[in-house]
Amino acid sequence: EIVLTQSPATLSLSPGERATLSCRASQSVSSYLAWYQQKPGQAPRLLIYDASNRATGIPARFSGSGSGTDFTLTISSLEPEDFALYYCQQRRNWRVTFGGGTKVEIK
Amino acid sequence: QVQLVESGGGVVQPGRSLRLSCAASGFTFSIHGMHWVRQAPGKGLEWVAVFSDDGSNKYYADSVKGRFSISRDNSKNKLYLQMNSLRGDDTAFYYCAKENLGAASGFDYWGQGTLVTVSS
Repeated sequence: EIVLTQSPATLSLSPGERATLSCRASQSVSSYLAWYQQKPGQAPRLLIYDASNRATGIPARFSGSGSGTDFTLTISSLEPEDFALYYCQQRRNWRVTFGGGTKVEIK
Repeated sequence: QVQLVESGGGVVQPGRSLRLSCAASGFTFSIHGMHWVRQAPGKGLEWVAVFSDDGSNKYYADSVKGRFSISRDNSKNKLYLQMNSLRGDDTAFYYCAKENLGAASGFDYWGQGTLVTVSS
């Protein structure tokens, strides 16, 4: 099983600041990595697929980078609605795994 | 528009069975791989199972292998999860999700989830 480790567990920032979230895989997943945002009481929402492609309707302030084992989700300038949980997910093979999540909270 | 609607959740005793359904609409169901993902209350996301678009591949998380079975009926645009020998740690919201066609990763649509509570 491919293990995804997200860091930090919690990120405390103010609106307008830049957020940088990390996801590290236990083995190479090539570019088969996605990022999701989840708010309380809601299903996850796809933000980024294939490491760096924004999903439909996702604002340009969200960007993804990386390949192999190290990936980053960057939110260039936090808006109030961006404070939420973020998960990475690998799809290198059929047996998908998720990272443990990073909570972006208001400082 | 794309919709995924789960049903079948509820309270069930340990050791009993439950079948979840996911009704899909707004897209060509038969050409998409479909997954079940669960989330225990206050916890992270855990992938459960996949049924590939061509029907040739079904895979399960180790935590449910041998107890859960995924199936689909393309004529009815429905995905199912048969859950047997349920345990307390199966308590979770269960989501169905569709693969992002044309991409190598990502689930672009999710249902609202159905809650399964395993308790005596």
